[in-house]
Amino acid sequence: GENVEQHPSTLSVQEGDSAVIKCTYSDSASNYFPWYKQELGKGPQLIIDIRSNVGEKKDQRIAVTLNKTAKHFSLHITETQPEDSAVYFCAASKEYNQGGKLIFGQGTELSVKP
Amino acid sequence: DSGVTQTPKHLITATGQRVTLRCSPRSGDLSVYWYQQSLDQGLQFLIQYYNGEERAKGNILERFSAQQFPDLHSELNLSSLELGDSALYFCASSATVSFYNSPLHFGNGTRLTVT
Repeated sequence: GENVEQHPSTLSVQEGDSAVIKCTYSDSASNYFPWYKQELGKGPQLIIDIRSNVGEKKDQRIAVTLNKTAKHFSLHITETQPEDSAVYFCAASKEYNQGGKLIFGQGTELSVKP
Repeated sequence: DSGVTQTPKHLITATGQRVTLRCSPRSGDLSVYWYQQSLDQGLQFLIQYYNGEERAKGNILERFSAQQFPDLHSELNLSSLELGDSALYFCASSATVSFYNSPLHFGNGTRLTVT
């Protein structure tokens, strides 16, 4: 069935360093790949997304890359700050005009040390 | 603040009981999604409603049911509760039937504890 594998499960970096989180998906028909940030006691919040017709997308310190051939996508955070500390989830989905579901990875707990 | 409101925030109940979780989507959003988050299963999609109609179904147990009302709020009903149903239940909403063009916005969840 559909599956998304996410690595690493925990990541600790020094403030100012870069952080990279990687995900692999199983369904080659997947065409939408969002990333969510979840802070303690809150719901996931969309931080960036990418569609299968694009290889890379940037938004300030955050970038996502997609390799459709290898079926993997990555989140890159540059110049990390303590407020970036949270759990990050990748997800994948096929476009359903009639509705659909996101398949989430298991999450990466990012810790940015001052 | 995502604009999605979930009540209650916490719920403690006993095995065998039935509970109802409530969700008010963001103003103008027509789709409501329910997700379950547990330590061992992660975030699992349960069900989606769009403008009152069921649109997609995920790993929702037969003991669970949901509906979306004419004012677009949604309720998730969990019955014959088991210890394993203890989890965070999230509601999310989006403007259209597909989150491909209108992203999901999550509420802060209801934490259910079954004792």
